[in-house]
Amino acid sequence: GESVGLHLPTLSVQEGDNSIINCAYSNSASDYFIWYKQESGKGPQFIIDIRSNMDKRQGQRVTVLLNKTVKHLSLQIAATQPGDSAVYFCAETTNAGKSTFGDGTTLTVKP
Amino acid sequence: KAGVTQTPRYLIKTRGQQVTLSCSPISGHRSVSWYQQTPGQGLQFLFEYFSETQRNKGNFPGRFSGRQFSNSRSEMNVSTLELGDSALYLCASSLNSGTGATEQYFGPGTRLTVT
Repeated sequence: GESVGLHLPTLSVQEGDNSIINCAYSNSASDYFIWYKQESGKGPQFIIDIRSNMDKRQGQRVTVLLNKTVKHLSLQIAATQPGDSAVYFCAETTNAGKSTFGDGTTLTVKP
Repeated sequence: KAGVTQTPRYLIKTRGQQVTLSCSPISGHRSVSWYQQTPGQGLQFLFEYFSETQRNKGNFPGRFSGRQFSNSRSEMNVSTLELGDSALYLCASSLNSGTGATEQYFGPGTRLTVT
């Protein structure tokens, strides 16, 4: 259930597997990146962020990787759970404060 | 600490009317951003306010406007509503903006339906 490199609009994984969600950003001037999770009927919820002077950051069960050379961002979720099912968005923010969101990936976790 | 609140949660308007949406940020947050979310276009940035000043603006027509008050509460207004304005309007607040940007906290959104 993993995908590497390519942004997919949907991703389906088995409970307990690791998930990788990819995002390509467009602005080389962006210096702050965030991953959000949006559940049905709710606003996006912050998951993890990373600044452009880093290439990896880890949280609880989540890791964000930043590759500035190819302008690529990924979110890794370890031991995916049914509660992780949601739409995941990446967002890039310039130092002027303007944010641009990616298209979103719908993650479905099968029990 | 209370989260971001938006009112109203649901709204139905007719083409040609105007609408005002309200957002109360998290206490202490000075930056408020507005987004339009539609199934076809995803999350589109409308504008950002920081300390009562518009800092950034997205690519929306002048029918979309906003303001921020001294207590950081923000309103956005859409005049001469069109069917295509039907969307979920999300407000997000953050502590800082620009080079000191921090994570944004989103409200539940206002679902606007234009008929």
